[in-house]
Amino acid sequence: QMQLQESGPGLVKPSETLSLTCTVSGDSISGSLYYWGWVRQAPGKTLEWIGSVFYFGTPYYNSSLASRATISVDTSKNLFSLSLHSVTAADTAVYYCARDLRYTSSSIFDHWGHGILVTVSS
Amino acid sequence: QSVLTQPPSASGTPGQRVTVSCSGSSSNIGGNTVNWYQQLPGTAPKLLIHDTNQRPSGVPDRFSASKSGTSASLDISGLQSEDEAVYYCGVYDDTLNGPVFGGGTRLTVL
Repeated sequence: QMQLQESGPGLVKPSETLSLTCTVSGDSISGSLYYWGWVRQAPGKTLEWIGSVFYFGTPYYNSSLASRATISVDTSKNLFSLSLHSVTAADTAVYYCARDLRYTSSSIFDHWGHGILVTVSS
Repeated sequence: QSVLTQPPSASGTPGQRVTVSCSGSSSNIGGNTVNWYQQLPGTAPKLLIHDTNQRPSGVPDRFSASKSGTSASLDISGLQSEDEAVYYCGVYDDTLNGPVFGGGTRLTVL
């Protein structure tokens, strides 16, 4: 049974970089045809896709976050990571990692991590 | 403001049938398949319906969905207390080049 687990600091100072890792078990990042993505949810708000990455190739990003977000993959550790630069209070949210079945004009998040709350505050 | 519009709330009594709507445009629902996610209180979203009307293994057949034009709907029949959750529609948007989500509908079982 596949599982995803987010990890990282729960508190980040404004203007600094938010860094999260998603460890995947029960599936091989480099052995499957899935993308691996990040979705966030600000308190009381809806879901917002941040970006998705295949184990090789260029990641895809939400255009509203593309200038600040970087998603990378470490196949040797079967994990993928998110970095979000120059954070503000508006980036306070629960961050989820998810498996993304992506094909032409379709993106299905079929497995999700439990989520990690990241608060941006001094 | 979400690209996809959902009513903020819905309610029903046990055993009733409830419908949650999701309205979009030609760049998303009008041309692509729709997914639905269920988020129980304090938990991560869970895939409920994919490719407009397909249930993943383990999802009860009380949940069904469809779309027509630029709108989609999720039907829940035989409503149960454990169905209390927020339901989100999600679709790939060809203009934004990525998946987008509706604002979510909070379902209350009275």
